[in-house]
Amino acid sequence: KAGVTQTPRYLIKTRGQQVTLSCSPISGHRSVSWYQQTPGQGLQFLFEYFSETQRNKGNFPGRFSGRQFSNSRSEMNVSTLELGDSALYLCASRGGLATDTQYFGPGTRLTVL
Amino acid sequence: AQTVTQSQPEMSVQEAETVTLSCTYDTSENNYYLFWYKQPPSRQMILVIRQEAYKQQNATENRFSVNFQKAAKSFSLKISDSQLGDTAMYFCAFMKLVHSGNTPLVFGKGTRLSVIA
Repeated sequence: KAGVTQTPRYLIKTRGQQVTLSCSPISGHRSVSWYQQTPGQGLQFLFEYFSETQRNKGNFPGRFSGRQFSNSRSEMNVSTLELGDSALYLCASRGGLATDTQYFGPGTRLTVL
Repeated sequence: AQTVTQSQPEMSVQEAETVTLSCTYDTSENNYYLFWYKQPPSRQMILVIRQEAYKQQNATENRFSVNFQKAAKSFSLKISDSQLGDTAMYFCAFMKLVHSGNTPLVFGKGTRLSVIA
């Protein structure tokens, strides 16, 4: 089986712009979670989608949003980018909500100038 | 809220030697999973090993094993016969089990392990 894929791998944006990141889960997996990784805050949970519905949400401002499509692919959007949004964004998939293990993609490195 | 603490920001070990990474966590829950993930310089987060809290037997995956002490809320990772490819950041993570679906992972700050030839 192919692993979790994320596109693009690298992004450079300027303050005030918006960005959309994409994640394709492992085939058959219906749950997709997003995490933000920064040197200062470490790994923080953004949100989880299952069957096109947001099931869990972390403590991030409303500028961070996401969605999931019927084929389980997920997108994450950040509007009005700030310098502090520079981070590695990791996507993880698992079979279902009751499945314990999450498998991660390679991440998207976002740099905000 | 659950917290995960990794008290060793950096460690190094000689190739072929054994090293133990520490992790403690704080929770009032009884049903949960614990994980160790490694993140090499390529940044891909890779699952190393997992442990169900209801299992007393420590999990083992080839050269990797854990020492799970539920009462002490401790979950250390032992790497035997260390290899250069083990050089990475290692993250300890906690996940609570609930009927409606398991909760997100809560990560520690990580331990940077360097394997020296």
